[in-house]
Amino acid sequence: LAKTTQPISMDSYEGQEVNITCSHNNIATNDYITWYQQFPSQGPRFIIQGYKTKVTNEVASLFIPADRKSSTLSLPRVSLSDTAVYYCLVGSGGGYQKVTFGIGTKLQVIP
Amino acid sequence: GAVVSQHPSRVICKSGTSVKIECRSLDFQATTMFWYRQFPKQSLMLMATSNEGSKATYEQGVEKDKFLINHASLTLSTLTVTSAHPEDSSFYICSAAGTVSGNTIYFGEGSWLTVV
Repeated sequence: LAKTTQPISMDSYEGQEVNITCSHNNIATNDYITWYQQFPSQGPRFIIQGYKTKVTNEVASLFIPADRKSSTLSLPRVSLSDTAVYYCLVGSGGGYQKVTFGIGTKLQVIP
Repeated sequence: GAVVSQHPSRVICKSGTSVKIECRSLDFQATTMFWYRQFPKQSLMLMATSNEGSKATYEQGVEKDKFLINHASLTLSTLTVTSAHPEDSSFYICSAAGTVSGNTIYFGEGSWLTVV
């Protein structure tokens, strides 16, 4: 199982772009990188998933370098409602390999 | 995205009794479901992985006789906490993956269990 390392916490002002980087040095060839957002007392919510290069959807972008040993979640113009814990997960969803969580990054958006 | 629903969202039970939590995939067939527990201000801890029609695989340190998991159909998995004790009080979260969901695992809303 690929282990992930993220910063424990980050602070950002409203309206700024936030980049959260995750290290996954032993990622396997068939592993995907998925980011989730979790609010207190709620289950994690899917944000974005990628395999390589760049992926963008309506809420975020995911940048993955060629060696895939890290990934960066980019949240454009954060608002107070983006205050949450963000988890980077690495695994082979297609193979339904079990997925374990790291500590996640607590993002605090400041007015 | 795919929807995974848990029920109940909150439950209080007396010490020594059993309580069941349901996890349903509403719009896809979940060949694999995962159960996690989460204590306040901590990350999710994987308890077990269940594949439809077969016995669940429990993580080290998780008592399989205490946390009974049944994945009898492609849309339903249940977690039964037997002989519950106050230390079992926690936030329990399920997740599911299936052919329609591709490489993505979707999570339920979570269930708060309080044992009094």
